[in-house]
Amino acid sequence: DSGVTQTPKHLITATGQRVTLRCSPRSGDLSVYWYQQSLDQGLQFLIQYYNGEERAKGNILERFSAQQFPDLHSELNLSSLELGDSALYFCASSRGSVGSGLRETQYFGPGTRLLVL
Amino acid sequence: DAKTTQPTSMDCAEGRAANLPCNHSTISGNEYVYWYRQIHSQGPQYIIHGLKNNETNEMASLIITEDRKSSTLILPHATLRDTAVYYCIVRSSGAGSYQLTFGKGTKLSVIP
Repeated sequence: DSGVTQTPKHLITATGQRVTLRCSPRSGDLSVYWYQQSLDQGLQFLIQYYNGEERAKGNILERFSAQQFPDLHSELNLSSLELGDSALYFCASSRGSVGSGLRETQYFGPGTRLLVL
Repeated sequence: DAKTTQPTSMDCAEGRAANLPCNHSTISGNEYVYWYRQIHSQGPQYIIHGLKNNETNEMASLIITEDRKSSTLILPHATLRDTAVYYCIVRSSGAGSYQLTFGKGTKLSVIP
């Protein structure tokens, strides 16, 4: 158990719909990362938040957005869903200590499996 | 980001040591080598990381060559539960973000 929790575990929805995935980082971790894993693309970085502020963006579509709340949990919002958005979505967290980025280990949650029909 | 090259798949007999190689010939001096594994669609699990020296923890050992252009992850006594995809990742810092860049990894099958 990494200490990172994600809800829900599974989500089935229809094209055009909107869903919200939730992540609670490990206690004390300030950084949250979102990754997407699809069959054809592998694990890809989407976006990072640090202490409530967006830190970096990866291959995140404009239909997707995220935020990190004052209690440090994060939500990933996926809208106008398409069949190709079906994937595993992972959240990871790390301490976020200043100056230690390269040495910080990221701990991953169990993921949310999204199926768009 | 420094690119890594790993074999697509490997087999290992249960109880034997599993040695997983990784090439990272373009690694920079301040880049770390990280290893993660993913067991059947579970969240990636951190194994070990290192910069220059060899490292050991309760899960594995990491051997980094002196020129840092390659490394080997060693699982000393592989069990069936070690069957997973193993990812070798070189971490670079770009614009204040420290995301992990995953390749295709090595699918390790531990055979009874």
